[in-house]
Amino acid sequence: EPEVTQTPSHQVTQMGQEVILRCVPISNHLYFYWYRQILGQKVEFLVSFYNNEISEKSEIFDDQFSVERPDGSNFTLKIRSTKLEDSAMYFCASSPRGGAGETQYFGPGTRLLVL
Amino acid sequence: SQQGEEDPQALSIQEGENATMNCSYKTSINNLQWYRQNSGRGLVHLILIRSNEREKHSGRLRVTLDTSKKSSSLLITASRAADTASYFCATDPDTGRRALTFGSGTRLQVQP
Repeated sequence: EPEVTQTPSHQVTQMGQEVILRCVPISNHLYFYWYRQILGQKVEFLVSFYNNEISEKSEIFDDQFSVERPDGSNFTLKIRSTKLEDSAMYFCASSPRGGAGETQYFGPGTRLLVL
Repeated sequence: SQQGEEDPQALSIQEGENATMNCSYKTSINNLQWYRQNSGRGLVHLILIRSNEREKHSGRLRVTLDTSKKSSSLLITASRAADTASYFCATDPDTGRRALTFGSGTRLQVQP
């Protein structure tokens, strides 16, 4: 069964460094998402992406964050200058057409630790 | 409570028993989805129930939705130790947005 994949599974970085988290959504899906989960807290929406542009974003998704679909398969989340509070599990998700009522399929996550 | 709040926060049962988890939300929704998360791992989609549905079954899972009360329940029948995980409800609001709003989750422990 097709699934969303994410790399790396774990990333440790120094505060102020740039990180790029990578995702390969399910191949025929058109809508992509990033969520994050700070340890012990709720899963929070960051951004959705469709047709090579951001569809919607949350207040968390500030200028330090950016997303890109550099080719036909990868979807990336970049954090330009990481802060300690960016430490979290980051989940990528995709859905077939982004229509109301569609299931969003999540990847296994990247655990980011900012020191 | 906030959108997508589950209760109880933690539940411990014996193998073979049924586990019931509840979720409440505040705004109108298109659908409500339940996800499972093993400790520190990814989110696994379990079941989606649409706003015009009242009950849905999938294997040992039974989900109900009461839009008048803005609440949902997830029942896991004949639980197994492997069902030990956190369970989250996530709502897809009827606002045209696609961002899911997750609850805080119920941590289920099934004792063998």
